[in-house]
Amino acid sequence: AQRVTQPEKLLSVFKGAPVELKCNYSYSGSPELFWYVQYSRQRLQLLLRHISRESIKGFTADLNKGETSFHLKKPFAQEEDSAMYYCALRDYGQNFVFGPGTRLSVLP
Amino acid sequence: GAGVSQSPSNKVTEKGKDVELRCDPISGHTALYWYRQSLGQGLEFLIYFQGNSAPDKSGLPSDRFSAERTGGSVSTLTIQRTQQEDSAVYLCASSFNDYGYTFGSGTRLTVV
Repeated sequence: AQRVTQPEKLLSVFKGAPVELKCNYSYSGSPELFWYVQYSRQRLQLLLRHISRESIKGFTADLNKGETSFHLKKPFAQEEDSAMYYCALRDYGQNFVFGPGTRLSVLP
Repeated sequence: GAGVSQSPSNKVTEKGKDVELRCDPISGHTALYWYRQSLGQGLEFLIYFQGNSAPDKSGLPSDRFSAERTGGSVSTLTIQRTQQEDSAVYLCASSFNDYGYTFGSGTRLTVV
């Protein structure tokens, strides 16, 4: 069965430090991977998807099929990056599997 | 169950028909969201329920869309007179006190 794991419930980094939010998945086919973000008291937003290979708000994520990972990275964290981040997989049936989320706290 | 359950997982309907999508949140979760993601587009907020408060319906795209949450638990999203542009994956998420959400697997709606 498909699974998405995010091993860190909480990740704290200092402003200006690099940040990496880990995401691993298990899926037998070729999934579509996403990162979603929810800032405090705001709605969930799509941050990026692997097929578009874009960089949003300085964040990037590379799909590593060998390691079945889709880690989210940013070289220099900002305080406004503090939020809840969810990694998600979409399968051929267009069904989603979400990870449990990682709360990123960027300290001043 | 242990997670958020959505049903059906897939629904194909004819244009003009009404559909009901169901979300069974985690027991005890007071907050419930409905979102949808269309192919090639971003995530769209639809409606938010929090406890006994009046729901935030500001994201519903038209009056053909409605949602209710009975007894603070199960929620049903109803789309009347479906249109092709309603085709999307409809996601439900629930949370206890808005701290960290658990998502359902979504309902894929196809309007033909």
